[in-house]
Amino acid sequence: NAGVTQTPKFRVLKTGQSMTLLCAQDMNHEYMYWYRQDPGMGLRLIHYSVGEGTTAKGEVPDGYNVSRLKKQNFLLGLESAAPSQTSVYFCASRGTRNEQYFGPGTRLTVT
Amino acid sequence: RKEVEQDPGPFNVPEGATVAFNCTYSNSASQSFFWYRQDCRKEPKLLMSVYSSGNEDGRFTAQLNRASQYISLLIRDSKLSDSATYLCVVSSGYALNFGKGTSLLVTP
Repeated sequence: NAGVTQTPKFRVLKTGQSMTLLCAQDMNHEYMYWYRQDPGMGLRLIHYSVGEGTTAKGEVPDGYNVSRLKKQNFLLGLESAAPSQTSVYFCASRGTRNEQYFGPGTRLTVT
Repeated sequence: RKEVEQDPGPFNVPEGATVAFNCTYSNSASQSFFWYRQDCRKEPKLLMSVYSSGNEDGRFTAQLNRASQYISLLIRDSKLSDSATYLCVVSSGYALNFGKGTSLLVTP
């Protein structure tokens, strides 16, 4: 049972490049989330999904897009990366008691 | 006012000490409460849920006071391996609201 997995683990982008972060969960959870974590800022919600085919904006959605084509996968896209998007990105899925399980994170640097 | 507030620390304690973390939350309609642990450069991991009646898991005890909107975590007999950041987390609807965390360093 892998839980929540994320790919890639590390990435360096130049300003203006695009990329997609993949999150997968094998726990059959309906709800999935994307967060970013920056020093001194705590975890901030970017987008979330309450089920296959649905997405919604969180606290800091600008500059990101998401898709949930399959229940087990939640993709986060950066269409034109900016240095302000340098961060650690965590994906999570929600269990039956509202607890969330996190993936190992993606460390993204935009130069 | 932030949704979830914690003392950032750091708390530096010797092995074997008892340490307590506190947290307050602003949304009185909050439904679920948790403590997460986050090690340096790792993902947050669920430490324990927090119930109104209080709950204990080994050396860890969590308490919830809904009237005061206050959550606590007590760690007894601290181990070196307890060194981490502890996140207070409150659920309201679809979302989890995270505190910024309290840093704990247990020293020999």
